[in-house]
Order: sequence, then C-alpha cells, then structure tokens
Amino acid sequence: EVQLVQSAAEIKKPGESLKISCKASGYNFTTQWIAWVRQMPGKGLEWMGIIYPDDSDTKYSPSFQGHVSISVDTSISTAFLQWNSLKVSDSAMYYCARPKLGIDWYFPFWGRGTLVTVSS
Amino acid sequence: DIQMTQSPSSLSASVGDRVTITCQASQDISNSLNWYQQKPGEAPKLLIYDGSNLETGVPSRFSGSGSGTHFTFTINSLQAEDVATYYCQKYYNFAITFGQGTRLEIK
Repeated sequence: EVQLVQSAAEIKKPGESLKISCKASGYNFTTQWIAWVRQMPGKGLEWMGIIYPDDSDTKYSPSFQGHVSISVDTSISTAFLQWNSLKVSDSAMYYCARPKLGIDWYFPFWGRGTLVTVSS
Repeated sequence: DIQMTQSPSSLSASVGDRVTITCQASQDISNSLNWYQQKPGEAPKLLIYDGSNLETGVPSRFSGSGSGTHFTFTINSLQAEDVATYYCQKYYNFAITFGQGTRLEIK
C-alpha cells in the first residue's frame, strides 16, 4: 500500500528557515515522481514543483522557482520542501503527492498535509 | 504558460440534480486533464484522470469528458456527500496547473 507520511505542523517566525518532509512507503521510492502542492487558508490548490528521486530532476512552477527548494534523500525514501527565509505569506497547508505512474501526472496518492504557520 | 479557467466558482444544487463544471485550457492539452474532489480538512481525492477515466473506487455518477481545450466534469444524481470543492488539473509539457476550484453546495 502506497503511503505518504508528512511531518508535523510547524510554527515559525518570519525570516526563519524550515524543511518539511514527506516519507514514502509501499513502493520503489526512486522510480516515481513526488510533487508538492500549496493551499493557502481558504484558497485553492497551487502546484509548487515535482522531483524525480532517482536523479533529483526537478521541475518548479514559475510562481515558486527561487522561493523554495525541493530535494530527496533516497536512503530514507523521503522528499523535502525547504525555505531559507520564511514570510508570513508562506503560511499554508502543504501537501505531497505521487502520480499513479511515470510522467502521467495525475495524483491518486496524497499525504495528509503539513500546516505551516509563520507569524511574528 | 498554459492557463486553466474553471467555472463556475461556486454552485448550489439539489439532491438528485445533474451538476456540470467546465475547465478551459488556453492551449491544446490533448486529454491531460484530471478532476479532484476536496472536502474540508482533507487532502484532494482523484476522481477522473486523462479527461474521462474514472479512478478505481469512485462512484459511477462522476464522469468527465473533453479533449483539446474544453473539458467537462459531471455529477449525475447529486448526493449530499458530494458537498466539496472540485478542481481540474492539467499536466502538459512537464508543467502542472490547477483550476481555481468550484465550491459545490446543496440547496
């Protein structure tokens, strides 16, 4: 059974750094893309980027390029989403998701989300 | 960058009604269009993939159609448990975009 387990909620201050995680199980982690999706409070879904763990090939949405970093650690089957300097506007729910297969990027598998709150 | 325009942004319908949501792409995306349901406090759930394919375990009252630039999502015989926000999502040319969402309520 495919499972994506996300790290716990975070409360941070503006300017702080943060790295949240998404641990995968139930399949060969290196051979399936993993995506990150943002949902700001009361708003819609926004694709942030997607990474292929085998070679760390990463595609970013233009809206998020340069603002976040997506990475993986294949030794622990985990994907990461990282900020170097958080802003209040980064407060949101962040989901990781896995496509069914290959480059057919529709997502039947989702984590439960990590709520990030940035406040002074 | 391909833009997706989803409409309406909200709608209210009665149990048993047929509900239709549309998604328009700014360029031809073939059939690379998917539909999700998201209930409050939950992660999105895949309902339809590649335009018209029903995801395993999804009730048959949900359906999708279209290709190219115009896509339609339909719920036949709306049920109370279908109250949710619905999103289209395209994947094309190694980029993903979600529609703005449609909030569905029961009258």
